[in-house]
Amino acid sequence: AQSVTQLDSQVPVFEEAPVELRCNYSSSVSVYLFWYVQYPNQGLQLLLKYLSGSTLVKGINGFEAEFNKSQTSFHLRKPSVHISDTAEYFCAVIPVGENTPLVFGKGTRLSVIA
Amino acid sequence: DVKVTQSSRYLVKRTGEKVFLECVQDMDHENMFWYRQDPGLGLRLIYFSYDVKMKEKGDIPEGYSVSREKKERFSLILESASTNQTSMYLCASSLIRETNTGELFFGEGSRLTVL
Repeated sequence: AQSVTQLDSQVPVFEEAPVELRCNYSSSVSVYLFWYVQYPNQGLQLLLKYLSGSTLVKGINGFEAEFNKSQTSFHLRKPSVHISDTAEYFCAVIPVGENTPLVFGKGTRLSVIA
Repeated sequence: DVKVTQSSRYLVKRTGEKVFLECVQDMDHENMFWYRQDPGLGLRLIYFSYDVKMKEKGDIPEGYSVSREKKERFSLILESASTNQTSMYLCASSLIRETNTGELFFGEGSRLTVL
């Protein structure tokens, strides 16, 4: 079985500062990895995903994430955040080739302070 | 543009009422899912469905049932609503086929308050 741990439940950061949201996963098989974002009172939308190939994945809104297989991590980064990045961020995994539900972390609430 | 539509964004119901939450997707996806979201608990899977008339229990199915009579529609039913079912409910869908990556497409959510 897979599990996902998002190490920080809340991350406050000043506008234009860099941010890293941490995600670690546990799996005995290869996985696909995802980051989703949820703005207030909305559903989740895909930020980026890692399927294969380059371990550095670029997503929407200037976010990127790096897949580190040896550390079983998929941390999300942005070099300079905006007020509009205030949202909840979810990391998720699914075993490659399996039609099973995504396993989500509990989420990290990013608050950008002016 | 792909779309998952949840019929009601906000609902207020009384304890004991039967509640229907409807979800429709226009992407011809095989899989559909219902989650509930509560502060500090993240997303918890209630039920999912791989095909018409099929359903599988998720992590927290108690107090809920589902119906999938057509491929594009997946309904969540609260037979007798209780206050502890006050929550945000999220519907999602995904594709299987050869390009399956498990990527989910979400609706906007339905915020249910049970009084």
